[in-house]
Amino acid sequence: DAMVIQNPRYQVTQFGKPVTLSCSQTLNHNVMYWYQQKSSQAPKLLFHYYDKDFNNEADTPDNFQSRRPNTSFCFLDIRSPGLGDTAMYLCATTSKTGITYNEQFFGPGTRLTVL
Amino acid sequence: AQSVTQLDSQVPVFEEAPVELRCNYSSSVSVYLFWYVQYPNQGLQLLLKYLSGSTLVKGINGFEAEFNKSQTSFHLRKPSVHISDTAEYFCAVIRRGYQKVTFGIGTKLQVIP
Repeated sequence: DAMVIQNPRYQVTQFGKPVTLSCSQTLNHNVMYWYQQKSSQAPKLLFHYYDKDFNNEADTPDNFQSRRPNTSFCFLDIRSPGLGDTAMYLCATTSKTGITYNEQFFGPGTRLTVL
Repeated sequence: AQSVTQLDSQVPVFEEAPVELRCNYSSSVSVYLFWYVQYPNQGLQLLLKYLSGSTLVKGINGFEAEFNKSQTSFHLRKPSVHISDTAEYFCAVIRRGYQKVTFGIGTKLQVIP
């Protein structure tokens, strides 16, 4: 089945130790998103790629970076994680052509704990 | 910019009883509307969506929602809930022609046996 896959599902890291989260998709969607979701809060968009075009949200900390080497893969790099970065990180994809919008498909998430 | 308000943070309901989860939105332009469900430690799954056409939208797992433009609402309903419906539900909106989704803060539905 076509799907959105995130690895790892659970990640524990130390304060200040860089971490990379992975997202891959078999849907061939041209838009990929990264969200941060803290406990009992709504998902917060960090950035998204529209094809190769990177779109950063204004309030996303510089500590968060992203790479999209090809259509299928997208990575979230946290250069120096702080305790406040403990959260669930969700990857989502969608297909957008012109002004037509299709719903986002979400991966299962990576639960990151910073100690 | 658009915004979404989910009026209830938690909704307890007995099994087999009906439930309504409320969602109001604000936007100066036309929007698409969605309801997502999130089970513990999982990603979000689309329940239903309103893009255009009939204002009554049917989704998966027996859920439905009605788009009310005059009241700017998109409430989610189910006539008879099951224990397995216990989850968090998010209302979401996107401006037509844009890629950015705005989520509400979520409503935790707790089904009581």
